[in-house]
Amino acid sequence: EVQLVESGGGLVQPGGSLRLSCAASRFTFSSYSMTWVRQAPGKGLEWVSYISSSGRTIYYADSVKGRFTISRDNANNSLYLLMSSLRDDDTAMYYCATVGEIGYWGQGALVTVSS
Amino acid sequence: EIVLTQSPATLSLSPGERATLSCRASQSVSSSLAWYQQKPGQSPRLLIYDTSNRATGIPARFSASGSGTDFTLTISSLEPEDFAVYYCQLQSIWPPVFTFGPGTKVDIK
Repeated sequence: EVQLVESGGGLVQPGGSLRLSCAASRFTFSSYSMTWVRQAPGKGLEWVSYISSSGRTIYYADSVKGRFTISRDNANNSLYLLMSSLRDDDTAMYYCATVGEIGYWGQGALVTVSS
Repeated sequence: EIVLTQSPATLSLSPGERATLSCRASQSVSSSLAWYQQKPGQSPRLLIYDTSNRATGIPARFSASGSGTDFTLTISSLEPEDFAVYYCQLQSIWPPVFTFGPGTKVDIK
């Protein structure tokens, strides 16, 4: 069964940093573009960032541009999101997901930004 | 920046009824649209990609259509497991943005 497993979530103070990881298995990770999507408690889905299959094309939502960095390691089937200068409104469940028709999603990693 | 709006915000229906969910873009969209279903405590599930194609394993009671600024997801006959929140998502090739609509909650009448 295909798996995307996020890790690295937790409680962080405003202004702090956190790195999320997404481990992929049982599909050809290197063939797929990936995204990070977040969902604040009780709210809707918000797209955060995109990375192409090769890692050469990267894009961010305006709300995180300049603060978040997406990257991937195709040799180790992993996707990352480095989050810096975190704010209260970054509190959310963060999901990694494939782009396109296969639609794989992880179970999410909870990030709480609070003093 | 293209903004997606979904209507209605909440749809109250009974099992067996037909559900029609709308997603409207603030300007004409040449990119594809996807639809997702999310149940409480679960990750979103892809239902439809490229505006009208059912994802793997999605029942035939789910269908979708649209072009330009107006898109529709139809559930022909609601099953108990279909009561959930549904999101549309713009999937633009360039620039690669993946904007979501605010969601429509389908609940039991």
